[in-house]
Amino acid sequence: EAQVTQNPRYLITVTGKKLTVTCSQNMNHEYMSWYRQDPGLGLRQIYYSMNVEVTDKGDVPEGYKVSRKEKRNFPLILESPSPNQTSLYFCASSLKGRYNQPQHFGDGTRLSIL
Amino acid sequence: SQKIEQNSEALNIQEGKTATLTCNYTNYSPAYLQWYRQDPGRGPVFLLLIRENEKEKRKERLKVTFDTTLKQSLFHITASQPADSATYLCALGPGSQGNLIFGKGTKLSVKP
Repeated sequence: EAQVTQNPRYLITVTGKKLTVTCSQNMNHEYMSWYRQDPGLGLRQIYYSMNVEVTDKGDVPEGYKVSRKEKRNFPLILESPSPNQTSLYFCASSLKGRYNQPQHFGDGTRLSIL
Repeated sequence: SQKIEQNSEALNIQEGKTATLTCNYTNYSPAYLQWYRQDPGRGPVFLLLIRENEKEKRKERLKVTFDTTLKQSLFHITASQPADSATYLCALGPGSQGNLIFGKGTKLSVKP
């Protein structure tokens, strides 16, 4: 089954404790991205990757890091999480395009930073 | 500044009626427009994509229009069912950063 898989689905942690949210897709997609979704603000892009070893900042990249060492994986790293990063996070992928092709989303990771 | 507005946060309709959701945008010239469905606790699911040179697109009970003069897209669900209850997001691209910009969504409730 074609899918985007995120782990963990839920995480409660404390300020300053490094964490990684994993994302994997099995569709051989070139383009992958991370969004956060907050009430009243909608979906905002954090980082994106056009292909292996190619990453770039989205609209709200501060406090986040990403890497793309393999085509299927695109982990999101919070080096020193803070409470304002409490949010619902989504990973997405598409065949190639940032905006001209359907985006396939994972089921989300709900992060709470205390 | 660029703005995407979905006409209402919530829309309640009766089963069997046509639901019409609106997406308006300003200071923006998108070449593509997409609609997604999002259920509580789940990620958005792609429904339809329409290009700027297409006026209308259909898929089963769904229809999308794209009016670049009015800077508006309409999303219709005909013969609506309670199972259509969800939040619907419109998304436009490219944005100023070459990305896909999402609206905040409209929560549709279809009552039996």
